[in-house]
Amino acid sequence: QQQVKQSPQSLIVQKGGISIINCAYENTAFDYFPWYQQFPGKGPALLIAIRPDVSEKKEGRFTISFNKSAKQFSLHIMDSQPGDSATYFCAASMESGYSTLTFGKGTMLLVSP
Amino acid sequence: DAGVTQSPTHLIKTRGQQVTLRCSPKSGHDTVSWYQQALGQGPQFIFQYYEEEERQRGNFPDRFSGHQFPNYSSELNVNALLLGDSALYLCASSKRLQGFYGYTFGSGTRLTVV
Repeated sequence: QQQVKQSPQSLIVQKGGISIINCAYENTAFDYFPWYQQFPGKGPALLIAIRPDVSEKKEGRFTISFNKSAKQFSLHIMDSQPGDSATYFCAASMESGYSTLTFGKGTMLLVSP
Repeated sequence: DAGVTQSPTHLIKTRGQQVTLRCSPKSGHDTVSWYQQALGQGPQFIFQYYEEEERQRGNFPDRFSGHQFPNYSSELNVNALLLGDSALYLCASSKRLQGFYGYTFGSGTRLTVV
């Protein structure tokens, strides 16, 4: 049973455009929702995270939108750059207790120059 | 300040063999979690170690076992390797009382089973 569903599987965006990646979760006990960026040959690196007490969080060009009632959250990358080309993973967890992450399957983003 | 260090970076094993992967956590961290990332997939949680004990386990068979040492470093052992065990194995370290604050992944060990 996949608890975090991510779409699209791949995405091509022109330089300067907006990249949007969506995720949906099933477990209502989840209370921590991070996005990770992974480059080839590297481990995932935390990009931005949100907790369900807010509907939006922005850090630089990256914004998470969170819809608790729909059990959905999304990553928006504004002014996308070629250096943003990577695989992006959404994840979810219960922050209390022992911390483990449930990941989506990933979105491969290519930003064309 | 060194981050999470994993060794080796790559290795090739034959079906049926056993393998040991190693992880040194980030300085100040006391908890180590292991994940398996198959090609084109998201990481899947294997297990987590804290105070030298397995604290949580994902949906992986008993062929996957681990250990944590007094210096907080950890090993992942896989017995009777299958072709399907080919994956990137990631270690993440954190500080138990800080939840996900500072949760850091290593670059992983690429295991190929032939």
